[in-house]
Amino acid sequence: DIQMTQSPSSLSASVGDRVTITCRASQSISTYLNWYQQKPGKAPDLLMSAAFSLQSGVPSRFSGSGSGTDFTLTIGSLQPEDVATYYCQQSYSTPFTFGPGTKVVI
Amino acid sequence: EVQLVQSGAEVKKPGESLKISCKGSGYSFSTYWIGWVRQMPGKGLEWMGIIYPGDSNIRYSPSFQGQVTISADKSISTAYLQWSSLKASDTAMYYCARHLTPNNIVDAFDIWGQGTMVTVSS
Repeated sequence: DIQMTQSPSSLSASVGDRVTITCRASQSISTYLNWYQQKPGKAPDLLMSAAFSLQSGVPSRFSGSGSGTDFTLTIGSLQPEDVATYYCQQSYSTPFTFGPGTKVVI
Repeated sequence: EVQLVQSGAEVKKPGESLKISCKGSGYSFSTYWIGWVRQMPGKGLEWMGIIYPGDSNIRYSPSFQGQVTISADKSISTAYLQWSSLKASDTAMYYCARHLTPNNIVDAFDIWGQGTMVTVSS
């Protein structure tokens, strides 16, 4: 199985801050990397697929980059509604493993 | 509207069997892979497996192979997750989710069900 790690596991930032979350795969996954946002008590929402393809309706302050083993999710200007846990997931080979998550608080 | 609607919360005893469901609507159910994701209380997301309803091709995570059974009935646009003998450690929220593009196994989950909470307790 491909192992996914994320850092940090949690972070606290202020409204308007630029926030970066890192995801690393245990082997190269090209750009088969997805990002999800999960708010408390809710199902996850897909933010980004294929490393940097923003889903329809997702604010443009969210961006993704990376390829191979190292990826980042950036929130350009943190907003109160961005409080959530963010997960990366590889879809290169089954099982399509998730990272452990990064909790973002304000 | 494209949506997945899951069956309601379940409370079971250890050793009992269970089958939960996920009904798709608003799209061609047979042509999109659907998966199941476990989230134990206070924990992260775990990919359990996926099924292609068109031909019932299934891929399991090794962590869940033999522990659960994934199936689908394309005639009623419904996917299933079942257990033959539940354990207390199966207590979790279970989500079904659909792949983003048709016929594509290497893909993200773009549509999620609301989740089914399964509680196993004696």
